[in-house]
Amino acid sequence: ILNVEQSPQSLHVQEGDSTNFTCSFPSSNFYALHWYRWETAKSPEALFVMTLNGDEKKKGRISATLNTKEGYSYLYIKGSQPEDSATYLCARPRRGATNKLIFGTGTLLAVQP
Amino acid sequence: SAVISQKPSRDICQRGTSLTIQCQVDSQVTMMFWYRQQPGQSLTLIATANQGSEATYESGFVIDKFPISRPNLTFSTLTVSNMSPEDSSIYLCSVSLGAGELFFGEGSRLTVL
Repeated sequence: ILNVEQSPQSLHVQEGDSTNFTCSFPSSNFYALHWYRWETAKSPEALFVMTLNGDEKKKGRISATLNTKEGYSYLYIKGSQPEDSATYLCARPRRGATNKLIFGTGTLLAVQP
Repeated sequence: SAVISQKPSRDICQRGTSLTIQCQVDSQVTMMFWYRQQPGQSLTLIATANQGSEATYESGFVIDKFPISRPNLTFSTLTVSNMSPEDSSIYLCSVSLGAGELFFGEGSRLTVL
């Protein structure tokens, strides 16, 4: 994997369902992995910055795990709510420029009431 | 955190014209970043706006097409010149405050007819 890849591209779930999606990235020269949530007509909002293999971070009903050896991160949402509807982006810093990010194309989550 | 204001929030422009997008941050920052997201594509870094020096452009982006100003530590503009329909995108201003995560404006949604 040369860049950041996310799957699935989109996801439709019912309110109350738990869901998860994947971010894959190059495992060599790992520095950090970012997750953002981007609601329509709003600013992308940082969820997590993950740096350590095996890291697990949590923010309310949202959590993320990191496997730097195999180059993937999972984002989990427990008990999805309509307000969770957004595009979830992951990104890795560019080599040699930790504040310049390379983004995946995102996973668009729609939670139906 | 940082609060970033962008304007315009959206615009519809004619082919061949130019549009300047403004970005105001509520604190002084060294670097400001301009990203764009074309339909179906990932967020891509256009350039870094440096205060007191020329902007640094990423591969595939040039100053003649995307001139940038950075008159002080809280403000920057990006101009999209001689627009074509391929320039229809969401343009986002962002800053990094040192912890790695980026803070974004709400974006400027540009449609070129």
